[in-house]
Amino acid sequence: EVQLVESGGGLVQPGGSLRLSCAASGFTFSSYWMSWVRQAPGKGLEWVANIKQDGSEKYYVDSVKGRFTISRDNAKNSLYLQMNSLRAEDTAVYYCARVERIGDIQLWGQGTLVTVSS
Amino acid sequence: IQLTQSPSSLSASVGDRVTITCRASQGISSYLAWYQQKPGKAPKLLIYAASTLQSGVPSRFSGSGSGTDFTLTISSLQPEDFATYYCQQLNSYPHTFGQGTKLEIK
Repeated sequence: EVQLVESGGGLVQPGGSLRLSCAASGFTFSSYWMSWVRQAPGKGLEWVANIKQDGSEKYYVDSVKGRFTISRDNAKNSLYLQMNSLRAEDTAVYYCARVERIGDIQLWGQGTLVTVSS
Repeated sequence: IQLTQSPSSLSASVGDRVTITCRASQGISSYLAWYQQKPGKAPKLLIYAASTLQSGVPSRFSGSGSGTDFTLTISSLQPEDFATYYCQQLNSYPHTFGQGTKLEIK
């Protein structure tokens, strides 16, 4: 079955760190750009970051630049998001996603909730 | 690039024809996608490249536009279409989303 499964979310204090993981299965992971998209409670979708197939190109939304790092391990079919210096406004459901054709996203994970609070 | 969707919310009845617009702050050619999201669920891709229907999506959904002005049209609303709809530009990074349009039952 083609799927993405996120893990690693939870409650963290402001200023803390968290690493999200996404396990891909059912498709050739190394052939696709991958993405993280988040959604704060009751709010809209926010694109966070993209990474190229070989990890050589990475792009971030300005609000996370210097704090978040997207990475991947093609041997483990896994995508990661290292989140440092977390802020209350980073509280959201984080979705792992597979990037298609022009950058659109057809395949999404179920999401993992990150809560930043003291 | 900023995307502005209108309206932000919309009440309609089953069988209605509905149009949602998405305006980009600068030209994005046809690098636009539309998604549907239901509460507690991940988004679902409806349209990519402004007007190409994703496989498996009902033909009552259609997209049009290029440059800065885009529309998503649902030709005859079905009960399962009541959801929130988002556009996303893919012309340049960051790949911004519109703020969403909540489609509610009248």
